Amino acid sequence: DTAVSQTPKYLVTQMGNDKSIKCEQNLGHDTMYWYKQDSKKFLKIMFSYNNKELIINETVPNRFSPKSPDKAHLNLHINSLELGDSAVYFCASSSRGNQPQHFGDGTRLSIL
Amino acid sequence: AQSVTQLGSHVSVSEGALVLLRCNYSSSVPPYLFWYVQYPNQGLQLLLKYTTGATLVKGINGFEAEFKKSETSFHLTKPSAHMSDAAEYFCAVSEVYGNKLVFGAGTILRVKS
Repeated sequence: DTAVSQTPKYLVTQMGNDKSIKCEQNLGHDTMYWYKQDSKKFLKIMFSYNNKELIINETVPNRFSPKSPDKAHLNLHINSLELGDSAVYFCASSSRGNQPQHFGDGTRLSIL
Repeated sequence: AQSVTQLGSHVSVSEGALVLLRCNYSSSVPPYLFWYVQYPNQGLQLLLKYTTGATLVKGINGFEAEFKKSETSFHLTKPSAHMSDAAEYFCAVSEVYGNKLVFGAGTILRVKS
């Protein structure tokens, strides 16, 4: 009965590859988010979707493309991976913008 | 633009001692404030939130925080630390009419036996 689930939990790949991270929430929330946590544990929002519509797009390289097939899913596709993309990526959801966000366990991406 | 400052990247307390983790924010609009806890290799878990109303909010695991507008602070406290409280704690702010969380840099809490 996991609320926000991300797959995979770990992702190790080489520079230049393309990879995707999937996120699903079963809380019935309308809003979903992607955050990046760098090696210093600093968390920063990347994207937010509300009912499949992109509402926040921070300054993120266009190699990163979120896709929301329905309001329960928000996937993150990354093209041409770079060393600097190594981080933990967290998916989150909330019932509406200012309600508490529920986080997944994160996907640890390591670029070789 | 909103920002959050957490004073002290590391805090060490003895088991049974008071826990005080400091958070100051800046916001041009009335803020929503949150404290999250992160255990190793896990996601973030909400401890407590302030939206409107009572400025002293109680959360899970015996934690509480007080919103002080005049000091732009939202410090987290717990009267008596337990070994299981050892984790990293993040303070976050969001705009009333926005929906992104802006996080502080985090404070690692160490509890000594």
